[in-house]
Amino acid sequence: GAVVSQHPSRVICKSGTSVKIECRSLDFQATTMFWYRQFPKKSLMLMATSNEGSKATYEQGVEKDKFLINHASLTLSTLTVTSAHPEDSSFYICSAGTSGSHTYEQYFGPGTRLTVT
Amino acid sequence: AQSVTQLDSQVPVFEEAPVELRCNYSSSVSVYLFWYVQYPNQGLQLLLKYLSGSTLVESINGFEAEFNKSQTSFHLRKPSVHISDTAEYFCAVSGGSQGNLIFGKGTKLSVKP
Repeated sequence: GAVVSQHPSRVICKSGTSVKIECRSLDFQATTMFWYRQFPKKSLMLMATSNEGSKATYEQGVEKDKFLINHASLTLSTLTVTSAHPEDSSFYICSAGTSGSHTYEQYFGPGTRLTVT
Repeated sequence: AQSVTQLDSQVPVFEEAPVELRCNYSSSVSVYLFWYVQYPNQGLQLLLKYLSGSTLVESINGFEAEFNKSQTSFHLRKPSVHISDTAEYFCAVSGGSQGNLIFGKGTKLSVKP
């Protein structure tokens, strides 16, 4: 089956620093990748959609200058949390989908737990 | 716009008891429906999905869900749960504006011995 990896799985950083999270599709080409944020006791909230080779589309309320997304290849998308603050602490999950699929099937990464101190 | 409602935030049950996790959706168009399971500190794993055809879909570990168009529901059931089924379960529907899935808030299933 399709496998999506995320790195790192856990990261602790100091307030004011930047953190990069990688999302890779290991055995398929992902034309579209989605970044979600999961708050405690709440559902997954879509942050942005990235398509290979183009700018990401951000959901309302998500600061694009704070959450930088790059989808440089068909197997890699990165999310960089810039100038992180404690309120950015969360569980970030990526998913990948393929073009031409009409089933909206997505394959999820294992998530990255970010803690900002 | 599509939305998903999971009415039960927590469902505690005893081992070997049956369980039903409820999911209702709203949509004006045809949808695809999914159930995902999330174990502690892990990502989401696809449990089962409805795309077309038979309205009853099953997973390999004994869960099943039935698509009911008239009631706009996709409830998840298992006749006898195990302690290892303890996890959070998310219902999702296709059709987000970006091709993304739209998730319910999740139901935490706790199976007790």
